[in-house]
Amino acid sequence: DAKTTQPPSMDCAEGRAANLPCNHSTISGNEYVYWYRQIHSQGPQYIIHGLKNNETNEMASLIITEDRKSSTLILPHATLRDTAVYYCIARYNFNKFYFGSGTKLNVKP
Amino acid sequence: ETGVTQTPRHLVMGMTNKKSLKCEQHLGHNAMYWYKQSAKKPLELMFVYNFKEQTENNSVPSRFSPECPNSSHLFLHLHTLQPEDSALYLCASSQEVEINQPQHFGDGTRLSIL
Repeated sequence: DAKTTQPPSMDCAEGRAANLPCNHSTISGNEYVYWYRQIHSQGPQYIIHGLKNNETNEMASLIITEDRKSSTLILPHATLRDTAVYYCIARYNFNKFYFGSGTKLNVKP
Repeated sequence: ETGVTQTPRHLVMGMTNKKSLKCEQHLGHNAMYWYKQSAKKPLELMFVYNFKEQTENNSVPSRFSPECPNSSHLFLHLHTLQPEDSALYLCASSQEVEINQPQHFGDGTRLSIL
């Protein structure tokens, strides 16, 4: 499974877009990229996933580079409630995946 | 409403006690998982069940004993635990164990071993 690399923390102003990067340079062709987030004292929450096309849902957008070596999660209008740890995961065999340390996103008023 | 409910939310027990954690999912999924999340460590997969059958035991000590009576319920039986077992125990479910199926998590049981 591909290892992912994320910055340990990021700040974002409330109402602005939050762009969270993830590097997965060793990803293989059949590995999906998943994003989860975990708010303190809660379980991880699924956000979005994709293989090679950009994806959008009601929570976020996922931009995957053409070579698939990196991706960006975009929260279009961050709110204080989006403060959380965000995990990027590259998985083929989904019943055994590795969360890593994630990015702590601090949304500030 | 996550669709995955874990009870109790908090549990304090001594090393000689026996207790059980319960997980119930209301999503119609067929795969269920137990994870351990220790402070400042990544989530660690413990067990995987697919259609009630255990398909993965990630080298978990025998003092943790899972049980899956049906696709909606998952238990984790605990006995003679150690202080290092104090952690957040998370349950998750997915449609099946397949490559593009996201997992949905409960809010966990915070376990403290005295």
